[in-house]
Amino acid sequence: QSVLTQPPSASGTPGQRVTISCSGSRSNIGSNFVYWYQQLPGTAPKLLIYRNNQRPSGVPDRFSGSKSGTSASLAISGLRSEDEADYYCVAWDDSLSGVVFGGGTKLTVL
Amino acid sequence: EVQLVESGGGLVQPGGSLRLSCAASGFTFSRYWMHWVRQAPGKGLVWVSRINTDGSSTNYADSVKGRFTISRDNAENTLYLQMNSLRAEDTAVYYCARDGLYNSGLDVWGQGTTVTVSS
Repeated sequence: QSVLTQPPSASGTPGQRVTISCSGSRSNIGSNFVYWYQQLPGTAPKLLIYRNNQRPSGVPDRFSGSKSGTSASLAISGLRSEDEADYYCVAWDDSLSGVVFGGGTKLTVL
Repeated sequence: EVQLVESGGGLVQPGGSLRLSCAASGFTFSRYWMHWVRQAPGKGLVWVSRINTDGSSTNYADSVKGRFTISRDNAENTLYLQMNSLRAEDTAVYYCARDGLYNSGLDVWGQGTTVTVSS
């Protein structure tokens, strides 16, 4: 059972907009930055969003992050087949004194 | 090129020990906090441990506390994870990752090394 809660799956058709949610608590999302990682099949994770809503250089602006209270979300617009991957939300947890990951959301592009 | 390369994985019996290494290159290793993250077969990513720049501060997931030890050698640009009292549930791909400056996230990852705990 992960500290951060994500839906196990999400799907969309090419060109569509999809949103992945991440629910936490006051000790993690509520008081710290949220990060999002993309993991393509068989590869290492890649940083997608940092500090709630910032994109590293090279990440398309189709990807956006937001945070409100103890929840966060990742939005992907103009969905493409290459976006098919697992997505994880991450935050520091003050109570655990450690990093917590969501369980991951498998995105399928139909 | 900024790079992290893990090594040291393998097959080990329950109760055994293993030391993972992560060789860093292409950046000033001593300026960055570093992490270990693992992924059991078919499962999600799970954070294991982190260490500050000079090795004086460490944090661990409850599942490995007291069994695993993270350390670093800044002169050799290498991160380590000493794993003792290994259990079947420690079987996973272990990734090292760089903690970017100014809360910019785990911005560089290695390719991972596989640890299998089985008799």
